[in-house]
This record gives sequence, C-alpha cells and structure tokens, in this order.
Amino acid sequence: GQNIDQPTEMTATEGAIVQINCTYQTSGFNGLFWYQQHAGEAPTFLSYNVLDGLEEKGRFSSFLSRSKGYSYLLLKELQMKDSASYLCAVMDSNYQLIWGAGTKLIIKP
Amino acid sequence: IAGITQAPTSQILAAGRRMTLRCTQDMRHNAMYWYRQDLGLGLRLIHYSNTAGTTGKGEVPDGYSVSRANTDDFPLTLASAVPSQTSVYFCASSEDTNQPQHFGDGTRLSIL
Repeated sequence: GQNIDQPTEMTATEGAIVQINCTYQTSGFNGLFWYQQHAGEAPTFLSYNVLDGLEEKGRFSSFLSRSKGYSYLLLKELQMKDSASYLCAVMDSNYQLIWGAGTKLIIKP
Repeated sequence: IAGITQAPTSQILAAGRRMTLRCTQDMRHNAMYWYRQDLGLGLRLIHYSNTAGTTGKGEVPDGYSVSRANTDDFPLTLASAVPSQTSVYFCASSEDTNQPQHFGDGTRLSIL
C-alpha cells in the first residue's frame, strides 16, 4: 500500500531551527510537496522537490532523497507565526497526491 | 483577487438530505480536486478532474458525485448524506496535474 509517515507533533523555540521529517512508500514518484496549514485554514503550498537535493526558499528549505524515500522540511529563525501543521504529500504514478497526516509544530517563546 | 471560492463556509445537514458543495476558480486551471480532511488523517481525495469534461474517482468516492461542465466550476454532491460524511471539505486546483495545488478555504459540514 501507499504510506506517508511524519511525526504527529513537534515543539521548538522561537529563533531556533527545526527539521520535520517525512518518509514515504508510494506506487511511483512524481515529486514531493510540503504545505503549511494554520488551524482552521486551508493548506498553502511551500515547496516542491522532484530531484535529490536541497531546495532553499528564504527561511524554509526542503530536502529529498528518492533512494531512501525520505524528505525533510527545515525551518530556520523560527517565528511565532510558524506555529502550524506541516503536510508532506507525494505525487504517485497517477499524478495523484498521497498525503501524510501532518506534523503540528508548536513554537514557544 | 484570483483564487478558489467555496460555498457554503459551513453547513449543518440532516441525514438523508441531498447537498451540493460549490467550488469555483478563476485561474483557468485545468485540474480540480475535492478532498476531505478528518482529524488525525491526511487529506483524502474524493474525486478529481484533469480537464473540463472529465472526472475520476479518488481514494474515497462512495456517496459523492461530481461534474465538470466547464473549466471554472467543480461542484461536489452528496446524494443522501450520512453522519460519516461529517468532515471539512477542501476544493483545490492546479494548472496541470503535475503542478502544485491551490486550495479553497474549505466547507465545514456536519451531518446529524
């Protein structure tokens, strides 16, 4: 079957760095997406990786290793507004997104 | 402002009733999707449409139907609502099937 695993919850301190991991097993691979979702709101697109390596976008970076079925989202210089759920999703061979349950990130002052 | 509009924002519905959730996008995106989001679970795809005039079944299609008569609109219909369909429903669209998806604000639906 298809499976996306990510931690349920993480806690970090304002100004620090946090890494959210995602492992996946899917039928085919056409890219991995990270989304941010604040409570009660819609998911918003953060990043897309289709080749191995690191993609950097401001304070956020995303890494992919296709051979290991592994990705992480790195958030630097954490701000209180980064408190949200972070969703990992893999596009399978049918170009459909398979979603993880999300990681709730709590930022403490 | 360009984007996706969903209606209603929330709804309480008696079991057995028919309900249509509306979704409209003005970005001229080819692909559109309907998901449900339940606590502790990832987003689950209900139905999708890769282009106007075509639709397909996702992971959890039973009890739901869709139509895509034009590029902009993608309504989701519950023919006879059941309590297990209580959920938050998100409509999304993407320029093409391999592009990032953009989400509407969601419809919170409670079936009693």
